[in-house]
Amino acid sequence: AQSVTQPDIHITVSEGASLELRCNYSYGATPYLFWYVQSPGQGLQLLLKYFSGDTLVQGIKGFEAEFKRSQSSFNLRKPSVHWSDAAEYFCAVAPQEYGNKLVFGAGTILRVKS
Amino acid sequence: NAGVMQNPRHLVRRRGQEARLRCSPMKGHSHVYWYRQLPEEGLKFMVYLQKENIIDESGMPKERFSAEFPKEGPSILRIQQVVRGDSAAYFCASSPPGLPYEQYFGPGTRLTVT
Repeated sequence: AQSVTQPDIHITVSEGASLELRCNYSYGATPYLFWYVQSPGQGLQLLLKYFSGDTLVQGIKGFEAEFKRSQSSFNLRKPSVHWSDAAEYFCAVAPQEYGNKLVFGAGTILRVKS
Repeated sequence: NAGVMQNPRHLVRRRGQEARLRCSPMKGHSHVYWYRQLPEEGLKFMVYLQKENIIDESGMPKERFSAEFPKEGPSILRIQQVVRGDSAAYFCASSPPGLPYEQYFGPGTRLTVT
């Protein structure tokens, strides 16, 4: 079935440690790829997006993501996590055959311990 | 430039009542999308509208739900005869002309059906 998978429901990292959040998708053609962050009770903020070109994408707040076609993955990374990064992170894809809608993963809740 | 605005932020309705959720897109944006987030799930696409046109309503429940985006005024998501299962966060996003994947999200309306 076509889907977006975020295998980790919760992740806890220490402040200052590195972070990687996983995202895999299963669509025929490479879709457009996005990462959003949602703080409690808030809307979603776009962190970064990939349409084509360089497979390493830089985003806001020091985040980056790498597209790997062979693995159908788009993992989000940050070298040093800050306490303010605690939030829920959603991977989303825009499959080319689906029109303009975004398809979201179930989300990963990030906890940061001091 | 104000972001996407949604109101109300919180809405409580009794079973059988009607819920009206409003969304004002960002200035210059002509495309509006509605998504629903059930507890502990990712966002699910509901409907995509342009001014006075419904472009894609493939994610809308067949009954009780409707959406509009009039020539003047905000987009409205209307839920008639609400049931407990309608309790969720409803997010609106907008995008500029020609950039449908640049979706900017509002803060959401949290609907509680009692």
